[in-house]
Amino acid sequence: GAVVSQHPSWVICKSGTSVKIECRSLDFQATTMFWYRQFPKQSLMLMATSNEGSKATYEQGVEKDKFLINHASLTLSTLTVTSAHPEDSSFYICSVHGDRGPETEAFFGQGTRLTVV
Amino acid sequence: LAKTTQPISMDSYEGQEVNITCSHNNIATNDYITWYQQFPSQGPRFIIQGYKTKVTNEVASLFIPADRKSSTLSLPRVSLSDTAVYYCLVGEGSADSWGKLQFGAGTQVVVTP
Repeated sequence: GAVVSQHPSWVICKSGTSVKIECRSLDFQATTMFWYRQFPKQSLMLMATSNEGSKATYEQGVEKDKFLINHASLTLSTLTVTSAHPEDSSFYICSVHGDRGPETEAFFGQGTRLTVV
Repeated sequence: LAKTTQPISMDSYEGQEVNITCSHNNIATNDYITWYQQFPSQGPRFIIQGYKTKVTNEVASLFIPADRKSSTLSLPRVSLSDTAVYYCLVGEGSADSWGKLQFGAGTQVVVTP
């Protein structure tokens, strides 16, 4: 299966600053990657779909200007949280999906813990 | 995407078998049933997937009745390291939703000595 790596694993930033999170597909060329957010004691919520070479598509309620996604290559997608606030503190997880059809599982990164102070 | 319902939590002792049942009454014909495991502060990890009947791999079994409106994940002889949240997902492979996973609340399994 695909190996997905995120960087950093955790980050602490000051309120009002921006933070970039990288998601790399190490052994799989992914035209599409997915970004999720998970608050403590809650489930994963899909934020957006990252499309290589084109604009990301965002789920309802997710601010595209706040969560900037860039997918410049088949192995790298980045999520930038702009003007971060404490309420943006969360666990951010990316994933790639295999290309074997509907029976293909998803492969997730290890996640990035963002704390905004 | 079909909605899923599963127990919030389950407790077990080491060495026991744990069975988690997931309800998905609105499952579509081309939907697969997939289970993921998540440890604290980690991304989910694929456990098993099936379409109908029974599927078994090295870590779990998945039982799916003929009507496919539910499924049961069976973890044989659990150990402390099986303490995690288990998610049941039902999805389709259409171009519009492929890869866009809708996670339910999951089942917190706690294994004690």
